[in-house]
Amino acid sequence: GDSVTQMEGPVTLSEEAFLTINCTYTATGYPSLFWYVQYPGEGLQLLLKATKADDKGSNKGFEATYRKETTSFHLEKGSVQVSDSAVYFCALSLYKLSFGAGTTVTVRA
Amino acid sequence: ETGVTQSPTHLIKTRGQQVTLRCSSQSGHNTVSWYQQALGQGPQFIFQYYREEENGRGNFPPRFSGLQFPNYSSELNVNALELDDSALYLCASSSYGTSETDTQYFGPGTRLTVL
Repeated sequence: GDSVTQMEGPVTLSEEAFLTINCTYTATGYPSLFWYVQYPGEGLQLLLKATKADDKGSNKGFEATYRKETTSFHLEKGSVQVSDSAVYFCALSLYKLSFGAGTTVTVRA
Repeated sequence: ETGVTQSPTHLIKTRGQQVTLRCSSQSGHNTVSWYQQALGQGPQFIFQYYREEENGRGNFPPRFSGLQFPNYSSELNVNALELDDSALYLCASSSYGTSETDTQYFGPGTRLTVL
């Protein structure tokens, strides 16, 4: 079945450090790929998406590129801030969303 | 533009009881999906509603049921509550049949605790 595997956390970084969260997927067909972010006590917010191979999604300094050949959609940010502390979920969509387990990111000042 | 809203925010029930959770979809959206998120885990798909009919279901027993209304709002009903039903229940809406078909926007969730 369709599934997503993402890098286990927790990840702890200093402010202005580079962030990478790895995500790979298995799917029948051609899914759209997403990154969602969840702040403590809140629902999920859409961070970025890509709908086909080689598409790059970007938002708030975060980027991810849909790599069909490696079935990956790694999330990157060049310089993190304390406000980026959250849980990040990679997901694929083939009418329903299938999520990874989530990666907790903590950014220290 | 009004986002996805859910009610109530928190709920405490006892084993064996029944619960109804409510969701209002984002304006312009016609599809609603429900997810269960246990503590420390990723959300799991429960089911999706489109045109007031169930349009796909995840691996959840029949005591999880739902409704969608003509205004695209939705309810999630859970009968015979079990301790393992304690979770954050998330509603998401999307616009099926448009270029944004695959993109789901989430509400803040309802935290259900079963004692």
